[in-house]
Order: sequence, then C-alpha cells, then structure tokens
Amino acid sequence: DAGVIQSPRHEVTEMGQEVTLRCKPISGHDYLFWYRQTMMRGLELLIYFNNNVPIDDSGMPEDRFSAKMPNASFSTLKIQPSEPRDSAVYFCASSFNFRTSRLQETQYFGPGTRLLVL
Amino acid sequence: GENVEQHPSTLSVQEGDSAVIKCTYSDSASNYFPWYKQELGKRPQLIIDIRSNVGEKKDQRIAVTLNKTAKHFSLHITETQPEDSAVYFCAARNFGNEKLTFGTGTRLTIIP
Repeated sequence: DAGVIQSPRHEVTEMGQEVTLRCKPISGHDYLFWYRQTMMRGLELLIYFNNNVPIDDSGMPEDRFSAKMPNASFSTLKIQPSEPRDSAVYFCASSFNFRTSRLQETQYFGPGTRLLVL
Repeated sequence: GENVEQHPSTLSVQEGDSAVIKCTYSDSASNYFPWYKQELGKRPQLIIDIRSNVGEKKDQRIAVTLNKTAKHFSLHITETQPEDSAVYFCAARNFGNEKLTFGTGTRLTIIP
C-alpha cells in the first residue's frame, strides 16, 4: 500500500487566492482526518470524516476553510480566501474503525502539504 | 474535552543514555495512548502505543508505561542513538471518540 497520499507537497500562493489541498487515504480506511501544524499551535485537528461523512468540524478555524469527502478515496481541504496566517503544514491522516475491524486503530499520516501564503 | 500535557518541551541526552518523556491526560475515559515520532520535515509516525488494559509495553529500545490512576503515561528510550533525535508527540483518545488529542511535543536531541 502506498500509504496516505497528499498533493501538492508544497504550495506558495498570494493572499486572497483559493487553495485546495488533496488527500487519498489508505484503501479500506474509513476515517479521515485533516490536521494543521504550526510552531505556535502544534498539531491541531481541523475536521474528520467517517465513511465520507463529516463528524466533527469544530477545529475548522473559520468559514474560509471547508472540507469535503466525495468518496472513500478522496478528500479536499479548501481555503478561500487564503491569508498569511494560514501558512502551515497540513496533514491528512486515516485509520480503521477499531470497533468493526478489531485491527489497530492507529492514525497513519500523509507526507503533508507545506503551505505558504504571501 | 480531553487535555494532554507533555513534558519536557526539550530534552538533550548523551548518546547511549536513556530518555524519558511524560504526558498527563485529563479524561479518565481515555483508553488509547499512541506515541508519534516526527523527524524534521517529515510526517508524524507511530512508534508505539498502549491501551488502558495494559500497564507497560516494550518494543526493542522503546517502552511506554501507563498509570491509569494518576492519568499519566511515559515514553522511555534506552541506549539512545543519534537517529532518535526528533520531536515526539504523545496523544490520547477515549472510547467512542475517534479524535486524538496531542501533546505539545518534546524535541529530543541526542548528543554524540
């Protein structure tokens, strides 16, 4: 398995532009998580999905952020309009539902997207 | 909600010595405690985890201990090597909730 795949790996954009980050979870995983990591705030959970349905978006900082999961193998995190304070590394992670799989419920992280908003 | 505190924030040890990182959690219903290692510019990767029905778990040079009564768990790395240098995060999750709450991280530096 290729693991969690994220694209792009690096994104540089100007303030006010729309940014779309993409994630492909590990095949068979039914949970998908979006995190943001900065030096000041550490690892923050933004939103997570179960079976493509958003379960908790309380970590989404404001209305400029939105996330979708149209199918089990793809999710997007969109920022519109982007601001310099959105500069961070955005990680996507996926996991099994331990209740149904009885397998390890570890979250596996993708390589991240390093976003710089100028 | 769950709150996880992690100490120390930075730790330097001589190569070959042991390193210990400690975390406390607030929610007594938490039952799963993973530790992640993040090297510079890389993703967090699971190195060991423990569930609340176990007091200790070992994997070669790393071990994790859990004290449910005191609500704290610790990562122990023995015979440290330069490649152990990284940021380590603890996390906690309670049954019925898929969210992991992460600690603030410990930057471990191994001095050759």
